[in-house]
Amino acid sequence: AQRVTQPEKLLSVFKGAPVELKCNYSYSGSPELFWYVQYSRQRLQLLLRHISRESIKGFTADLNKGETSFHLKKPFAQEEDSAMYYCALRRFGNEKLTFGTGTRLTIIP
Amino acid sequence: DAGVTQSPTHLIKTRGQQVTLRCSPISGHKSVSWYQQVLGQGPQFIFQYYEKEERGRGNFPDRFSARQFPNYSSELNVNALLLGDSALYLCASSLAMGASGSDTQYFGPGTRLTVL
Repeated sequence: AQRVTQPEKLLSVFKGAPVELKCNYSYSGSPELFWYVQYSRQRLQLLLRHISRESIKGFTADLNKGETSFHLKKPFAQEEDSAMYYCALRRFGNEKLTFGTGTRLTIIP
Repeated sequence: DAGVTQSPTHLIKTRGQQVTLRCSPISGHKSVSWYQQVLGQGPQFIFQYYEKEERGRGNFPDRFSARQFPNYSSELNVNALLLGDSALYLCASSLAMGASGSDTQYFGPGTRLTVL
């Protein structure tokens, strides 16, 4: 069975401080991992995916298969980073996404 | 392109009624997926349709059904509504069937269903 765990429902960080949103997963095969973001009054949108190894809006995430984690990081938080963040997993070649419960990130000015 | 569109935006129904939610994918996208998002939870997969055929089904009762039309738009139907069906219903479209690199799922704004 696929499962994604985001242990923090809420996270508050001061502007300019580092950000780390935790994501752990359980899956028996080789998964594809994603981070989705939802800004206030906007639709859910893809932030980044592990296979592309991109840095989007200063965010990065590394897939650690040994620890089954895909934590999202940013060295210096900005106010516009305040949003709801969801970690998601799917099997390669399959459209079904399994989401975590989400972390609401608030950046304190 | 307006992106994925869904209608209606909001809907209020009473227990036992039936509801139909609609989704129009991004032009050229052939895959449509439906998700249910209960307050405080992440989206939960209901169905996926590709080229008008059901390709995936989540752990939902038979009261939930869907279909995809020749123009790739889709409808989600829920019969015999329960209070617990109150949620945000999201539609997502993508080009392909999960082939990495070409299949980012784009989400619509959702339909907020309230069952009284």
